[in-house]
Amino acid sequence: EAQVTQNPRYLITVTGKKLTVTCSQNMNHEYMSWYRQDPGLGLRQIYYSMNVEVTDKGDVPEGYKVSRKEKRNFPLILESPSPNQTSLYFCASSLSNVGAKNIQYFGAGTRLSVL
Amino acid sequence: SQQGEEDPQALSIQEGENATMNCSYKTSINNLQWYRQNSGRGLVHLILIRSNEREKHSGRLRVTLDTSKKSSSLLITASRAADTASYFCATDAIDYGQNFVFGPGTRLSVLP
Repeated sequence: EAQVTQNPRYLITVTGKKLTVTCSQNMNHEYMSWYRQDPGLGLRQIYYSMNVEVTDKGDVPEGYKVSRKEKRNFPLILESPSPNQTSLYFCASSLSNVGAKNIQYFGAGTRLSVL
Repeated sequence: SQQGEEDPQALSIQEGENATMNCSYKTSINNLQWYRQNSGRGLVHLILIRSNEREKHSGRLRVTLDTSKKSSSLLITASRAADTASYFCATDAIDYGQNFVFGPGTRLSVLP
């Protein structure tokens, strides 16, 4: 089954404790991205990757890191989480970011609380 | 911000009525898409309309696109309680390196 898998689904942590949210897709998609969703603000893109070893900042990259060592995986790293990073996070992938190939497939989401 | 906006922010209708949601955006685009999100879950793609298309249909969904006004509308006909969800438009923002940009969404409630 074609899917984007995020883990964990729920995470409670404390300020400053490094964490990683994993994302994996099995559709051989080139384009992957991370979003955060906050009430009233919709989805905002954190980082995106157009292919292996190619990553770039989205609208709200501060406090986050990503890597794309393999095509299927795109982990989101919070080196020193702060309470303002409490949010609902989504990973998404698509064939590319161009034309009709940019239909996004979303993971189920990771709800993160930073105390 | 290059984000678009949906209008209205929230909409309540009775089952069987039609629901219309509007989206405005700011940049040139190749296409515009609509997504649906059930509460707290991942978004699901509904329909894509290319910049050279004016209208597209899929089942009970009808999407229009006016590139001169940088706006789109999503019409859901004969709505059902199961259509209750948030609906987002999204564009590939050409002027911003083809980053994928979502609007803030319309929350639709369909009352039985």
